[in-house]
Amino acid sequence: QGQLVESGGGVVHPGRSLRLSCVASGFSFSSYGMYWVRQAPGKGLEWLAVIWYDGNKKYYADSVKGRFTVSRDNSNNTLYLQMNSLRAEDTAVYYCTREIQHGYFDYWGQGTLVTVSS
Amino acid sequence: DIQMTQSPSSLSASVGDRVTITCRASQGIRNDLGWYQQKPGKAPKRLIYAASSLQSGVPSRFSGSGSGTEFTLTISSLQPEDFATYYCLQHYDYPWTFGQGTKVEIK
Repeated sequence: QGQLVESGGGVVHPGRSLRLSCVASGFSFSSYGMYWVRQAPGKGLEWLAVIWYDGNKKYYADSVKGRFTVSRDNSNNTLYLQMNSLRAEDTAVYYCTREIQHGYFDYWGQGTLVTVSS
Repeated sequence: DIQMTQSPSSLSASVGDRVTITCRASQGIRNDLGWYQQKPGKAPKRLIYAASSLQSGVPSRFSGSGSGTEFTLTISSLQPEDFATYYCLQHYDYPWTFGQGTKVEIK
């Protein structure tokens, strides 16, 4: 059974940076596209970013384009989200998730909370 | 970018009721749409794929319909375990987008 474990969340001041990690186990990480999705407190799901299985293509939501960067290290089964120029509206629980089939997220991490506050 | 407008944002219903949730896409997305259910503190779970196909293991009281820009999720007879928040997700073109969500509450 596959598993995803996020880390790296915390409290950060506006304008600062944070890097989230998502370690995968129990499946062939390098074979799957990986995504980041976030959920602000009491709000809905927001699709953020995707990185293809080989890292060659990446796409972002407009809300984070130019500020966030998704990357992966297939040798260490790890997905990253580098978040720069953080804003209060970036406060959310951040999830990594695996796409097993087109549009189908099957494995999700437990989420890591990022709070942007002065 | 494709915007997904989901309605209603919340609804109250009783066990046994028929419930319908709608998502409208800002442009045609063929049938590249899924419906997810999320319960508090849990990861989302896909119920419907390709707009109208039932995910394996999902009860048959859930159904989806639509194509192009208008999509519907129907729960034919609401059960206690169905009280949750539901989201549509378009995966026709990047950036993918979720609908705003519909919280189904107990009347």
